[in-house]
Amino acid sequence: QSALTQPASVSGSPGQSITISCTGTSSDVRNYNYVSWYQQHPGKAPKLIIFEVSNRPSGVSDRFSGSKSGNTASLTISGLQAEDEADYYCNSYTSSNTWVFGGGTTLTVL
Amino acid sequence: EVQLVESGGGLVQPGGSLRLSCAASGSTFSSHWMHWVRQAPGKGLVWVSGLNTDGSYITYADSVMGRFTISRDNAKNTLYLQMNSLRAEDTAVYYCTRGRFNGMDVWGQGTTVTVSS
Repeated sequence: QSALTQPASVSGSPGQSITISCTGTSSDVRNYNYVSWYQQHPGKAPKLIIFEVSNRPSGVSDRFSGSKSGNTASLTISGLQAEDEADYYCNSYTSSNTWVFGGGTTLTVL
Repeated sequence: EVQLVESGGGLVQPGGSLRLSCAASGSTFSSHWMHWVRQAPGKGLVWVSGLNTDGSYITYADSVMGRFTISRDNAKNTLYLQMNSLRAEDTAVYYCTRGRFNGMDVWGQGTTVTVSS
């Protein structure tokens, strides 16, 4: 049950786009379209922003989008805003009938 | 709107036990998988355990297998986590979450567990 691999940090300027990668294995990301993404602001509970690779829950901005290719899932945030500064985590269902999170990525809006 | 409220956290000595509870509002509790996720101070999210709608299928992370027991009471709209043989590395905020879309769509505010002598 190794954690999915995410970059520790990414940054971008307001209005720009950034992409956060999430790399797993054939036991999780590659073989299941059950990748989800969460946003967590300091001191707050996580919030679901993408489910099943590329779907947005109601109320989540369309500036957030998700995709997957092989072992790697990606979260793209377009038109960066100051309020997007937060930690982001990916998650995948696994062949062991468990779930696994990535290590998390801190997004800094410059 | 569904809300989840955790309770039962606190300070416990290594080797001790603690039982967390998560009370869910609304009438759809029994229709969803439920999970526990934890976050150690300054660290990332870690999935701990999950169970299906009637509690007949349960799964755990390797790190807690044999020490933690997840359960639910659908009549009381409540999820539980019995934690035994606690270790310092179990110190974390524990979140109760609702399973949906093969992810976790509703989260509680968390309850803090500190394992220390």
